[in-house]
Amino acid sequence: NAGVTQTPKFQVLKTGQSMTLQCAQDMNHEYMSWYRQDPGMGLRLIHYSVGAGITDQGEVPNGYNVSRSTTEDFPLRLLSAAPSQTSVYFCASSYGRLAGELETQYFGPGTRLLVL
Amino acid sequence: GNSVTQMEGPVTLSEEAFLTINCTYTATGYPSLFWYVQYPGEGLQLLLKATKADDKGSNKGFEATYRKETTSFHLEKGSVQVSDSAVYFCALKEGNKLVFGAGTILRVKS
Repeated sequence: NAGVTQTPKFQVLKTGQSMTLQCAQDMNHEYMSWYRQDPGMGLRLIHYSVGAGITDQGEVPNGYNVSRSTTEDFPLRLLSAAPSQTSVYFCASSYGRLAGELETQYFGPGTRLLVL
Repeated sequence: GNSVTQMEGPVTLSEEAFLTINCTYTATGYPSLFWYVQYPGEGLQLLLKATKADDKGSNKGFEATYRKETTSFHLEKGSVQVSDSAVYFCALKEGNKLVFGAGTILRVKS
């Protein structure tokens, strides 16, 4: 198993550009999520999904869109990038959202995004 | 909402020193508590967890005890190694989400 994969590893955008961060998992996990990691602020949840066709907002959803058309993929879209979105983005997945399952999240290696 | 507060780092120790990283939480009820570790250039990995008061989680020589009286979940290790250098995150479960602390950088010198 490849686990959780993310592409690209690093990206530079100009303000106003759009892009999609890709995330895929091959473990048949129902639950997938996106976090951003900023210095001194830990990880903050952007969006999450408890299954194909179901998504919900996390703590910091503004400026980001997600969709979950398949169990395997959970792309994160930036419609109009802003310098405040400069961060490291992590995708994570787990078996489910029930007690005993959610906490064992498997994290991808991250995407480092710089918005100029 | 619920929140997690960790001691600020970086924490710098010599090899074989004793480690404590403080973590306190604010929550309704008694949520499950976790420690995650992030090695350089990698994503987070679950280190240990505790699901109820007085539970002790342990893994790889690290331990943490769920203390409801002090709302704390401090991470300890008796003898750190250079390979323990990483960022450590305390987290709690809130519904079907995890709430993370800011993270504590640990640097271990040989």
